[in-house]
Amino acid sequence: DQQVKQNSPSLSVQEGRISILNCDYTNSMFDYFLWYKKYPAEGPTFLISISSIKDKNEDGRFTVFLNKSAKHLSLHIVPSQPGDSAVYFCAASARDFGNEKLTFGTGTRLTIIP
Amino acid sequence: DTAVSQTPKYLVTQMGNDKSIKCEQNLGHDTMYWYKQDSKKFLKIMFSYNNKELIINETVPNRFSPKSPDKAHLNLHINSLELGDSAVYFCASSQGRAGGRTGELFFGEGSRLTVL
Repeated sequence: DQQVKQNSPSLSVQEGRISILNCDYTNSMFDYFLWYKKYPAEGPTFLISISSIKDKNEDGRFTVFLNKSAKHLSLHIVPSQPGDSAVYFCAASARDFGNEKLTFGTGTRLTIIP
Repeated sequence: DTAVSQTPKYLVTQMGNDKSIKCEQNLGHDTMYWYKQDSKKFLKIMFSYNNKELIINETVPNRFSPKSPDKAHLNLHINSLELGDSAVYFCASSQGRAGGRTGELFFGEGSRLTVL
């Protein structure tokens, strides 16, 4: 039962253009969403998050948009840089008896073309 | 001075063997996790410990036994290894139980286990 889905396994974008990574979820109990970035041979690192009470959160070149009615979120990277080439994981959180569990998507490999 | 360190990074072993993966964090966090990334790239939580207390225990075969001797360490012991246990195992830590809510899990580099 895949509750967090990233339907695009890969994405290639020209340097300087906008990268848009998408994520869909099915569990309506999710109320906090995160994006993690992963380079080869490294663990995922936190990038940006958004609470379900918001529909947008911005941090520098990175913006996450949340559409609760569609159960969809997206990560926008503008402008895209070669160092952004990585695998991006969408994750969602729901409280479980006071504890937190993150449910991850399968990731989208972003390649920025110089 | 790696924040979350795991050993070994690579482990190749035969079916039926018992193996352990160790994890240490120097961030002063009180919650630690084990995640498994399988061949389909799903990253799934297995266990979580808060101050040495098991707080999350997902549906994982009881051949997997986590042990937290103190809040800076969380080890994973696997008995009677099977082919399907081949995966990358990530240790992570966070401050408090709200690892997701505060926005940050800090992950180790992963331990790639290959069972032959």
